[in-house]
Amino acid sequence: DGGITQSPKYLFRKEGQNVTLSCEQNLNHDAMYWYRQDPGQGLRLIYYSQIVNDFQKGDIAEGYSVSREKKESFPLTVTSAQKNPTAFYLCASKRTGANYNEQFFGPGTRLTVL
Amino acid sequence: GIQVEQSPPDLILQEGANSTLRCNFSDSVNNLQWFHQNPWGQLINLFYIPSGTKQNGRLSATTVATERYSLLYISSSQTTDSGVYFCAGRKMDSNYQLIWGAGTKLIIKP
Repeated sequence: DGGITQSPKYLFRKEGQNVTLSCEQNLNHDAMYWYRQDPGQGLRLIYYSQIVNDFQKGDIAEGYSVSREKKESFPLTVTSAQKNPTAFYLCASKRTGANYNEQFFGPGTRLTVL
Repeated sequence: GIQVEQSPPDLILQEGANSTLRCNFSDSVNNLQWFHQNPWGQLINLFYIPSGTKQNGRLSATTVATERYSLLYISSSQTTDSGVYFCAGRKMDSNYQLIWGAGTKLIIKP
């Protein structure tokens, strides 16, 4: 089955720790995205990558870092510099090109800072 | 500014009722999409609808791009339709960035 997987589903972190959220896709999509969602809110873009070894900051990149060493993988690290990291994190991917406009989403990771 | 606004913010209906959700978008946004987020957080693509009308079962959507709005219709609502409905549009000076509305929370009571 083609799709996007995220792990873990739930993650608990102590203050001051870095944590890495996994996102893998086997859809052969070039573009991948990380979003943050707070309760009762829409999605906000953290980082996105259009191609391997390249990524750009979104609207709320401070306190986060990413890498894109493989087409299939786009891990997100939540660093200790992120002041309020408790949120629901969603990864998405998309084919690039003018005819491809839909983003497809993974199941999400709920991060709680204790 | 770049905006996507949804209404109503909350909607509570009895099973079997019909509903209309609205999305207004600014002139720097296009290529509207509608998503459903289920109670477990999974986002499901409903429609990619830059203009015109599409139907999928009990759901249909219409976008009037010249008037900067899109409507999502749900007929004969079922409890499984509950969740949050988002619209999102592509930021025009970007091939990749989506601008999201705040969502409409729909509760269907049995």
